[in-house]
Amino acid sequence: GAVVSQHPSRVICKSGTSVKIECRSLDFQATTMFWYRQFPKQSLMLMATSNEGSKATYEQGVEKDKFLINHASLTLSTLTVTSAHPEDSSFYICSARSPSGGGETQYFGPGTRLLVL
Amino acid sequence: SQQGEEDPQALSIQEGENATMNCSYKTSINNLQWYRQNSGRGLVHLILIRSNEREKHSGRLRVTLDTSKKSSSLLITASRAADTASYFCATASQGGFKTIFGAGTRLFVKA
Repeated sequence: GAVVSQHPSRVICKSGTSVKIECRSLDFQATTMFWYRQFPKQSLMLMATSNEGSKATYEQGVEKDKFLINHASLTLSTLTVTSAHPEDSSFYICSARSPSGGGETQYFGPGTRLLVL
Repeated sequence: SQQGEEDPQALSIQEGENATMNCSYKTSINNLQWYRQNSGRGLVHLILIRSNEREKHSGRLRVTLDTSKKSSSLLITASRAADTASYFCATASQGGFKTIFGAGTRLFVKA
């Protein structure tokens, strides 16, 4: 199946710094990628839809200036957590919809665990 | 959750028993998918069922969909310790593009 990678897999940073997370579709082009956030023992919450060549669409309650999304190419989307604080510590997962099979299936990255001290 | 609820929230069974998890959702959907997530890891896609389908099988997995009740169930037969994980349903809405996740069921299979 299609493969989506994320980098880094784990990051620890100090409060106030910014952290960039990359999401890549390795063997297909994705015009749309999605960013989710997951707190411990909870479900995935959709944060935003990342569109190649245009602005991301954010879900209600997600601060777009806090979570900057850039979809620079058909295989790369980045999420930057700006001025991170301890409450931003979470598991961030991206996904991409493959154009094959009618585009029904999303492929998920392995996730990035962010810990803000 | 953003979309709906799953029950039970947690389920503990003996190896060899069947495990049934239920999912309810709020909006009209195009399809419903089930995913598995091992602790602290990424998601594994298990099965997709379309809105015009009522039942689907894949190995030891059986999924049903009742669009009139806006609910789905996932049955894992002859469970194994390796099935221990969290299971999530996720829906893609009609005309929509986003996939929204249910709250999830944490399954623990005792050897």
